[in-house]
Amino acid sequence: AQSVAQPEDQVNVAEGNPLTVKCTYSVSGNPYLFWYVQYPNRGLQFLLKYITGDNLVKGSYGFEAEFNKSQTSFHLKKPSALVSDSALYFCAVRDSSGTYKYIFGTGTRLKVLA
Amino acid sequence: DSGVTQTPKHLITATGQRVTLRCSPRSGDLSVYWYQQSLDQGLQFLIQYYNGEERAKGNILERFSAQQFPDLHSELNLSSLELGDSALYFCASSVDPGLAAISTDTQYFGPGTRLTVL
Repeated sequence: AQSVAQPEDQVNVAEGNPLTVKCTYSVSGNPYLFWYVQYPNRGLQFLLKYITGDNLVKGSYGFEAEFNKSQTSFHLKKPSALVSDSALYFCAVRDSSGTYKYIFGTGTRLKVLA
Repeated sequence: DSGVTQTPKHLITATGQRVTLRCSPRSGDLSVYWYQQSLDQGLQFLIQYYNGEERAKGNILERFSAQQFPDLHSELNLSSLELGDSALYFCASSVDPGLAAISTDTQYFGPGTRLTVL
């Protein structure tokens, strides 16, 4: 069965410091991986995705993610965190069994401290 | 703004009642997905429609049903509501994950409907 794990419920980082939000996956076949962000009382906003190609994927708002096949990881990163980055982040993998649904991780709350 | 709209924003109702949630996909998107977000279950896929036909089912209760209309908007019907159905219900849309190149497949989410069952 396919799954996504986000091992940290919460990540705290000081403003201006680099941030990393971790995600590991388990899939059969090629992984199609996504990151979404959810601000309070808002829907999920698409940040970036990995389909194939370059292991470093650049996305919205200065975020990027590094795909590592050997470690089955897809960590979200940003070189310099902003207070406004504080939100709930979800990693997802697209189901490859034919349903096309997304399987989401449990989410990681990012808190950027001023 | 993702281009996906959902109504209503909030819904408060009593146990045993029935409600209908509505979703309009982005222009040009043929697929609609419904997800439930609750504190204890996280984000769970409920059901997917493509161009009016049900394509996939997830953890959807028998008390819940959905449909997609010819204009591609979708409705999620929840009946015999229980306290545990209180959650945020999201709709997402995408072009067509089946036929389109995988590189173009991204689901865009609406703002959600917050359902409170009292």
